[in-house]
Amino acid sequence: GAVVSQHPSWVICKSGTSVKIECRSLDFQATTMFWYRQFPKQSLMLMATSNEGSKATYEQGVEKDKFLINHASLTLSTLTVTSAHPEDSSFYICSATTSVLFGDTQYFGPGTRLTVL
Amino acid sequence: GIQVEQSPPDLILQEGANSTLRCNFSDSVNNLQWFHQNPWGQLINLFYIPSGTKQNGRLSATTVATERYSLLYISSSQTTDSGVYFCAVVDRFGNEKLTFGTGTRLTIIP
Repeated sequence: GAVVSQHPSWVICKSGTSVKIECRSLDFQATTMFWYRQFPKQSLMLMATSNEGSKATYEQGVEKDKFLINHASLTLSTLTVTSAHPEDSSFYICSATTSVLFGDTQYFGPGTRLTVL
Repeated sequence: GIQVEQSPPDLILQEGANSTLRCNFSDSVNNLQWFHQNPWGQLINLFYIPSGTKQNGRLSATTVATERYSLLYISSSQTTDSGVYFCAVVDRFGNEKLTFGTGTRLTIIP
């Protein structure tokens, strides 16, 4: 149980284009999803918290107009990197939880590696 | 915000060896989790352990909340144990947000 998927696994795009990453909870309904970013050989940094049906809460220093998050249903959240630039190249990881089942334990997707040329 | 430091940053061991990884945190926590990030980037939940001791096969973990540290023990290491180990905490304000530690990169040599 508690499986989270991400799509795509990796993406290469040209500078200036937008990229959408999907995060799905496959076997449970997730009241809360989180988006993290990880640079090579570094730790995970939380970007935003997403609750179904409401606006995402962004961490300090994260541009909400650049990283658009939509939590449209209890099993799907999307992260859109708008007008991507090479400095946005990174490993993006989502996690999901539902307090009724898991308390505050988070379950993580396999990540999406974004390369912007 | 809460600070989470892990030690050692890097560890290289022979297959079969035992190891102890440490996680220190700067404030009281409501939640502490240990994860293994495999070479493909997948984070695997190892333990949910805000206090006390737990064991799962060759792995065990102990959190001493009053002294603000947690330890992860790996016994009889295998090459598949290689990767990065993270601890992550939810601070005492209980806002669900995980703060990740600096990580320990473990390499097991055959």
